[in-house]
Amino acid sequence: GDSVTQMEGPVTLSEEAFLTINCTYTATGYPSLFWYVQYPGEGLQLLLKATKADDKGSNKGFEATYRKETTSFHLEKGSVQVSDSAVYFCALSTNAGKSTFGDGTTLTVKP
Amino acid sequence: DTGVSQDPRHKITKRGQNVTFRCDPISEHNRLYWYRQTLGQGPEFLTYFQNEAQLEKSRLLSDRFSAERPKGSFSTLEIQRTEQGDSAMYLCASSSKGLGMETQYFGPGTRLLVL
Repeated sequence: GDSVTQMEGPVTLSEEAFLTINCTYTATGYPSLFWYVQYPGEGLQLLLKATKADDKGSNKGFEATYRKETTSFHLEKGSVQVSDSAVYFCALSTNAGKSTFGDGTTLTVKP
Repeated sequence: DTGVSQDPRHKITKRGQNVTFRCDPISEHNRLYWYRQTLGQGPEFLTYFQNEAQLEKSRLLSDRFSAERPKGSFSTLEIQRTEQGDSAMYLCASSSKGLGMETQYFGPGTRLLVL
């Protein structure tokens, strides 16, 4: 079946540091890939997505590139802010529509 | 577009009681999904509907769980004879099936605590 493996957290960074959260996947079909963010006390929000190999999704300074050859979709941001503190989930979705999620990575950014 | 809404936001119940949750998707979204999320884990798929048809159910969805979407709009998820292991956040999402991969929009969730 489909699965998503995320870098284990928690991750603690200083403001303006570079962020990478690793995500790899296995899928029976050709999935779309997503990053969701969950801020404290809030619901899941779509951060970015990519639907085919070599696509780059980007939003709010975050980026991730769909790498079919390495089955990866790593999340990066060049300079994190305190307001980026949240839980980040990598997910995939196949033609069936349902999504398979990783276990989440908690990011804490300190001023 | 007011987003996906869920009711109630919190539910505390005693073991053995039945509970029902409601999800109102984004209007005109024809797909609706239910997920369960426990602490420290990502959401796990339970079931999904396209219009009023329930197209897939996870093996996580025991026979104590039932979901309906009678008119292809809102959906309900009922848990009968609740157990402490049912304590979790229940998430609803909706999307619109069309060309390409649709994006799922999530509601705020219903947090269930079974005592």
